[in-house]
Amino acid sequence: SQTIHQWPATLVQPVGSPLSLECTVEGTSNPNLYWYRQAAGRGLQLLFYSVGIGQISSEVPQNLSASRPQDRQFILSSKKLLLSDSGFYLCAWRDRDYGYTFGSGTRLTVV
Amino acid sequence: GENVEQHPSTLSVQEGDSAVIKCTYSDSASNYFPWYKQELGKRPQLIIDIRSNVGEKKDQRIAVTLNKTAKHFSLHITETQPEDSAVYFCAASTRGSTLGRLYFGRGTQLTVWP
Repeated sequence: SQTIHQWPATLVQPVGSPLSLECTVEGTSNPNLYWYRQAAGRGLQLLFYSVGIGQISSEVPQNLSASRPQDRQFILSSKKLLLSDSGFYLCAWRDRDYGYTFGSGTRLTVV
Repeated sequence: GENVEQHPSTLSVQEGDSAVIKCTYSDSASNYFPWYKQELGKRPQLIIDIRSNVGEKKDQRIAVTLNKTAKHFSLHITETQPEDSAVYFCAASTRGSTLGRLYFGRGTQLTVWP
């Protein structure tokens, strides 16, 4: 069966520090992968999506970037965090015939 | 692209009552409509979905209806319980598309009072 792993679960980082969040998927090949951010009490904002290795599409201009170095690995990064980057970050993959399966999320607090 | 609108943004009901959340979509090509439940501090989880060739689907206390002509779909929860309290998101997509992106509504905070 397919599983999705996301880490770390929580992170407290100072403003201006770098960020790296990792997501991996098991049990499937060539998955569509997505990064979402959720501010406190708000909806799901799509940040990046990828349909294959090295293929990254950005939804909104921001202080973040994404990479897909391997088929089942998706990384979210920042060189310098801003206070506004705080939020709940969710990785997701999609079975083409069904909906998303989300990772457990990373709660990022920028201080 | 697709635009999904969801109402209401908050909903409070007494335990045992029914709750209804409504969504509309704009793209007539959308043919897959999942609903997600997100408990506080946790990931959204798929609770039910419906495809465009079906008008209604039921799973125990939850049901979803779809009106393709009017481009709207609804989530119905009967005999609500306090553990139904959560944020619910509707979404729309086109099954089998290369991108496979889901377009989400803004969410409904459901509170069930004991």
